[in-house]
Amino acid sequence: EPEVTQTPSHQVTQMGQEVILRCVPISNHLYFYWYRQILGQKVEFLVSFYNNEISEKSEIFDDQFSVERPDGSNFTLKIRSTKLEDSAMYFCATAGVLTDTQYFGPGTRLTVL
Amino acid sequence: QKEVEQNSGPLSVPEGAIASLNCTYSDRVSQSFFWYRQYSGKSPELIMSIYSNGDKEDGRFTAQLNKASQYVSLLIRDSQPSDSATYLCAVPFGNEKLTFGTGTRLTIIP
Repeated sequence: EPEVTQTPSHQVTQMGQEVILRCVPISNHLYFYWYRQILGQKVEFLVSFYNNEISEKSEIFDDQFSVERPDGSNFTLKIRSTKLEDSAMYFCATAGVLTDTQYFGPGTRLTVL
Repeated sequence: QKEVEQNSGPLSVPEGAIASLNCTYSDRVSQSFFWYRQYSGKSPELIMSIYSNGDKEDGRFTAQLNKASQYVSLLIRDSQPSDSATYLCAVPFGNEKLTFGTGTRLTIIP
């Protein structure tokens, strides 16, 4: 069964450093999302992406964040200058054209020291 | 502010019994509703989707939707220890982004 994959599974970085989180969507899916979950809190929407552009973003998704689909397969989330409060699980989710059902990847645990 | 509300639990249910999980949502025009299961440290895993009023059954799981009351529930029959997890209710408000509840932590007692 096709599934969303994410790399790395765990990323440790120093405050102020840039990180790039990668996602490989299910092959025929065209809608892509990033969510995050701070430990012990609810899953929060960050950004949605369709047709090579952002379709919606939350107030969390400020100028430090960016997304792109650099090569037609990967979907990436970049955090330019990480802060301590960026420590969280980051989940990529994808959906097909004819459905609003989103399938989640296994997540990347980001730890900012 | 559009909200999804769940009782955070913990909810403890004996093995073999029925577990009942509830969710309310604030946007009357919502059309689709999702239940995800999340094991500790793992990602949300889709359990059920429901779009129409009434019941939808899939194996041991039954989702129930009442749009007039803005209420959606998940029943798990013949509960197993492997069902112990946090169950997340999610609703796409307007656009396709999902708004999640805080989740209900379910423990099945052998």
